[in-house]
Amino acid sequence: NAGVTQTPKFQVLKTGQSMTLQCAQDMNHEYMSWYRQDPGMGLRLIHYSVGAGITDQGEVPNGYNVSRSTTEDFPLRLLSAAPSQTSVYFCASSSGYTRTEAFFGQGTRLTVV
Amino acid sequence: GENVEQHPSTLSVQEGDSAVIKCTYSDSASNYFPWYKQELGKRPQLIIDIRSNVGEKKDQRIAVTLNKTAKHFSLHITETQPEDSAVYFCAAPNFGNEKLTFGTGTRLTIIP
Repeated sequence: NAGVTQTPKFQVLKTGQSMTLQCAQDMNHEYMSWYRQDPGMGLRLIHYSVGAGITDQGEVPNGYNVSRSTTEDFPLRLLSAAPSQTSVYFCASSSGYTRTEAFFGQGTRLTVV
Repeated sequence: GENVEQHPSTLSVQEGDSAVIKCTYSDSASNYFPWYKQELGKRPQLIIDIRSNVGEKKDQRIAVTLNKTAKHFSLHITETQPEDSAVYFCAAPNFGNEKLTFGTGTRLTIIP
């Protein structure tokens, strides 16, 4: 049972490049979400999904796209990377939406130069 | 939307002493309050949570208290140990949507 798996663990991008952060869970959780973590700012919600085919914006969605074609996968796309998107990104899933334990992936450290 | 404030941002305590971290929330309809621990370079992990129908919950050296009237909840760690050093986050869900709002975190350092 792998839980929540994120790839890659580290990534360096040039300004303007695009990329996709992968997230997969094997717990059959309906709810999945993406957060970014910056020093002194905690975990901020980027996008979330309550099930396959359903996504919604979080607190800081600009510059990011998501899709949820299956229950297991929830990729995060950076459309045109900017230095302000340098951060640590976490994917999470839970069985009971926001009212049960969230299981986090191991994180992706992204640097945009 | 929900606004969650967490204090203090840093906390240093002597090993064996107690540590208390406090969070306030704005949405009176919030009914679930988790606490996550994040060790250096690791992912956040749930350590304890409380639902709005109880005022206190304990798990060994960790306890959470909830004051719905004042809209705040606190994490209490007793008999602190070096492995308690980490960043701790509180969180609360938004009513009406499925967004979970986190506090800005408390870096707890246990001094041997």
